[in-house]
Amino acid sequence: SQQGEEDPQALSIQEGENATMNCSYKTSINNLQWYRQNSGRGLVHLILIRSNEREKHSGRLRVTLDTSKKSSSLLITASRAADTASYFCATAVTSGYSTLTFGKGTMLLVSP
Amino acid sequence: GAVVSQHPSRVICKSGTSVKIECRSLDFQATTMFWYRQFPKQSLMLMATSNEGSKATYEQGVEKDKFLINHASLTLSTLTVTSAHPEDSSFYICSARDTTNEKLFFGSGTQLSVL
Repeated sequence: SQQGEEDPQALSIQEGENATMNCSYKTSINNLQWYRQNSGRGLVHLILIRSNEREKHSGRLRVTLDTSKKSSSLLITASRAADTASYFCATAVTSGYSTLTFGKGTMLLVSP
Repeated sequence: GAVVSQHPSRVICKSGTSVKIECRSLDFQATTMFWYRQFPKQSLMLMATSNEGSKATYEQGVEKDKFLINHASLTLSTLTVTSAHPEDSSFYICSARDTTNEKLFFGSGTQLSVL
């Protein structure tokens, strides 16, 4: 069953702008992960945030987690055309990376 | 970084034929591999968990006899879509869990089109 729900479904911005995507989930989790998928390709792991963490950074990525609201956000700063892809959140109810439940994804289009 | 090879990347077949998709972990051992199905502009839906040396665990609603999974070694899992029909057309993705660090790595996916 679907766990994560991302919004917006689609986001179109200009290069240099920031992109924010949100994810909500329903059950208690151990960790939440964000993945990127280029069209017709597999998924690439971006970042993992554990349930006891509130914010995490990795390069131009910033992820927040609010367990009280069961929501997370992914911020991509200073976006580039190469960031154009679909972004998915995925939740894990146990430790480790196993058995993920994916959200519906946000399609991000960054125009030059 | 770790690499998961999924083959073929694209297959077109006639209705009624069987199609085998391979998922290989190239530089690590994977006790557990996962098979997902993805429809256009939709999320990934877990189909089954493949465990080396034992039977796969299928998610509710996934037909075991339709989607045969074999995980005969620590680096290879195969998904066979038997007697494929047009409704089986989809994007299939595998992922493999590195036994040493629990990390998940994804294959590049297989686009199956059944005519």
